[in-house]
Amino acid sequence: ETGVTQTPRHLVMGMTNKKSLKCEQHLGHNAMYWYKQSAKKPLELMFVYSLEERVENNSVPSRFSPECPNSSHLFLHLHTLQPEDSALYLCASSPSFRANEQFFGPGTRLTVL
Amino acid sequence: SQKIEQNSEALNIQEGKTATLTCNYTNYSPAYLQWYRQDPGRGPVFLLLIRENEKEKRKERLKVTFDTTLKQSLFHITASQPADSATYLCAPTGGGNKLTFGTGTQLKVEL
Repeated sequence: ETGVTQTPRHLVMGMTNKKSLKCEQHLGHNAMYWYKQSAKKPLELMFVYSLEERVENNSVPSRFSPECPNSSHLFLHLHTLQPEDSALYLCASSPSFRANEQFFGPGTRLTVL
Repeated sequence: SQKIEQNSEALNIQEGKTATLTCNYTNYSPAYLQWYRQDPGRGPVFLLLIRENEKEKRKERLKVTFDTTLKQSLFHITASQPADSATYLCAPTGGGNKLTFGTGTQLKVEL
């Protein structure tokens, strides 16, 4: 594993549920990222946090709400999702927002019924 | 708009041969380009980074080229092994660290 952990690994939820995805990095990095990966599509950057401040929000619907309480933890709060939101959600970190290499977690496979 | 193209069809090669994967991009000038490997159900793993002023980069059996005139990067795996079977993603990147990924090319190395 890469030092970035994600829980849960799998999640099935109904459209009216509220759930949260958790990401934790043990690498001492200052930047963290959320990506969405759908079948046959490239990874889509959703949110970027640098030193716990959001620096990027790529026109993501408000039903996805990120939270970064400290530089080691990142959450993605989900509510009233749609079936098309089913995807692999990946968290990544890097030493800083300007650093080159990103370290990815294993992802959470989300299914919305 | 920015566009990244990787072979959408799987590449099947025989063990011991050299695998060559292509990444083409249009409508922007990346300062550097990264390659990642992704196994099914897992997150991508960083392999190599090449900058716009570098023509070629090597790491063990891996070699990456970067042609800013052709707007293309080639990723080579020499002496390929079944363990190299995975999806390989390219990510041409501009300023900052906002990675933009291609859809990836699936490589299958057969015995």
